[in-house]
Amino acid sequence: EDQVTQSPEALRLQEGESSSLNCSYTVSGLRGLFWYRQDPGKGPEFLFTLYSAGEEKEKERLKATLTKKESFLHITAPKPEDSATYLCAVQASGSRLTFGEGTQLTVNP
Amino acid sequence: NAGVTQTPKFRVLKTGQSMTLLCAQDMNHEYMYWYRQDPGMGLRLIHYSVGEGTTAKGEVPDGYNVSRLKKQNFLLGLESAAPSQTSVYFCASSYKVSLTSYEQYFGPGTRLTVT
Repeated sequence: EDQVTQSPEALRLQEGESSSLNCSYTVSGLRGLFWYRQDPGKGPEFLFTLYSAGEEKEKERLKATLTKKESFLHITAPKPEDSATYLCAVQASGSRLTFGEGTQLTVNP
Repeated sequence: NAGVTQTPKFRVLKTGQSMTLLCAQDMNHEYMYWYRQDPGMGLRLIHYSVGEGTTAKGEVPDGYNVSRLKKQNFLLGLESAAPSQTSVYFCASSYKVSLTSYEQYFGPGTRLTVT
């Protein structure tokens, strides 16, 4: 059974304080690892897809990396508007995704 | 493009009542999904569809039915609502990015309370 574990559950940062979120996964045959951002009361917003170990993708202050067992979402010099819940999901077979429970990030000014 | 839209945004039902949630997408995506999101449980797949006229069960299908009569619409039905179905429901659609990979895009959600 595919499993996705995200840590920490919650993270509080000061504006400008860089950090990383972790997504550990267990799947048989990874076809894609996805990161989403979810704001309160809204649907998840697609950020990145990573396909193979060693791959990296960047978008503004966010950089996602992938190894054979985990993915990291690095946040460089975060701003208060980066506050959100970040979700990780894996695709192993077909088009279905298995989601982690998310990391709730709060960036204080 | 509106992307993925959901109707209604909020609903309160009494136990035993029925209702249908509507999902529409204007991106011409083949695949559509219904999830529920509960605190501490993450997003869980209820049912999905890989094309017009097809449906399949996900992780938590009991108590729900779905239909995909048109490519752009995916309906989620609750025939006899129970308090355990109180949740936030998200619809998503996806397209094939590569031979084996898909990217899913989500709607804004429907908050359902069953009393």
